[in-house]
Amino acid sequence: AQSVSQHNHHVILSEAASLELGCNYSYGGTVNLFWYVQYPGQHLQLLLKYFSGDPLVKGIKGFEAEFIKSKFSFNLRKPSVQWSDTAEYFCAVNSDNAGNMLTFGGGTRLMVKP
Amino acid sequence: DAGVIQSPRHEVTEMGQEVTLRCKPISGHDYLFWYRQTMMRGLELLIYFNNNVPIDDSGMPEDRFSAKMPNASFSTLKIQPSEPRDSAVYFCASSSRLAGGSDTQYFGPGTRLTVL
Repeated sequence: AQSVSQHNHHVILSEAASLELGCNYSYGGTVNLFWYVQYPGQHLQLLLKYFSGDPLVKGIKGFEAEFIKSKFSFNLRKPSVQWSDTAEYFCAVNSDNAGNMLTFGGGTRLMVKP
Repeated sequence: DAGVIQSPRHEVTEMGQEVTLRCKPISGHDYLFWYRQTMMRGLELLIYFNNNVPIDDSGMPEDRFSAKMPNASFSTLKIQPSEPRDSAVYFCASSSRLAGGSDTQYFGPGTRLTVL
């Protein structure tokens, strides 16, 4: 069975700081990888996704993520965060043996101080 | 497209009452998922359907929970009888399976359920 680990449960940054949120998964086969964001009181929205090709994926709002197959990682990055990035971020994985099911990590709550 | 539609957005009920949550997936999507989100347990997959057929219901907590998908445009999640520990936000999501890969799941706005 696949699993997803997000190491940081809570992150607090000041505006303009750089962000990197870790995500590791445990499955050796073909995977599709996602980052979702949930703003306070709202539903999950897709930030970016990786299916194949360039392992550096660019998403909305200046976010990017890099798929490193050898490390089973898909870390999310943003060079300069804004107060409006305060939200919870979820990494998710779909593998070639899991049908269309996503396995979500536990989420990372990001607070950006103005 | 209007996206995934859920109703009601908020539900407050008393313990022992029946609760029915509704979901309309994005037109053309053949997968539908029900999730529950709580502070303690995070985001949990309860059940998912493919072409209206339940594929995996191993996440359904107990027999008090049931889900149906009578057609491609409608699904319900029912809790009978409800208990205070069922209080959570329930999300519905839909997706379509592209040839050779997996498409993105699109989430609805959620139903915030409070059981008193």
